[in-house]
Amino acid sequence: GEDVEQSLFLSVREGDSSVINCTYTDSSSTYLYWYKQEPGAGLQLLTYIFSNMDMKQDQRLTVLLNKKDKHLSLRIADTQTGDSAIYFCASSYGYSGGGADGLTFGKGTHLIIQP
Amino acid sequence: NAGVTQTPKFQVLKTGQSMTLQCAQDMNHNSMYWYRQDPGMGLRLIYYSASEGTTDKGEVPNGYNVSRLNKREFSLRLESAAPSQTSVYFCASTQGWGIQYFGAGTRLSVL
Repeated sequence: GEDVEQSLFLSVREGDSSVINCTYTDSSSTYLYWYKQEPGAGLQLLTYIFSNMDMKQDQRLTVLLNKKDKHLSLRIADTQTGDSAIYFCASSYGYSGGGADGLTFGKGTHLIIQP
Repeated sequence: NAGVTQTPKFQVLKTGQSMTLQCAQDMNHNSMYWYRQDPGMGLRLIYYSASEGTTDKGEVPNGYNVSRLNKREFSLRLESAAPSQTSVYFCASTQGWGIQYFGAGTRLSVL
């Protein structure tokens, strides 16, 4: 089955850019997502990208997809203390690409912000 | 907008007890899911329901049963709780494109 890998921790200074990386194994993954989880809360969808795209930008967030290397990254510009959270990479490939059979998640990257 | 609502938020059980985790969504979504989240393990899919009237096993279904009561509600039952089922349980729903909306979670401890 699909495997999604992420590094467990990333520490950045406030105001710098954060880059969180993710690799996946299934080349038929059609949709890739980034979710954010704050302490004690559920998962919040940050952004997503379709497999026919290379890049997607949404305000401070930039997602880059390298299909050849099966590598996905999330860049957060001007990182703030409110960005401190766990970030999950996830992929889906089922049912019309709609992921009706569920998402495969990485273990999550803890983003730590230094003042 | 309630979105996805899970009850209860916290629960402590003794080994062998049973309980049902409730989930309801008000977004008219077809598909619903139950995940568990364990430290260092990310989220793993327990069961899902692609549409009303259907349910399917996910990655870690052993020890659980589910019921898709209607389009809105999808419950998860632990018939005989074990300490290995101590976890945070999340319900999610989607209308498509894999964009899943999550509830706030149920924190379960089995002693």
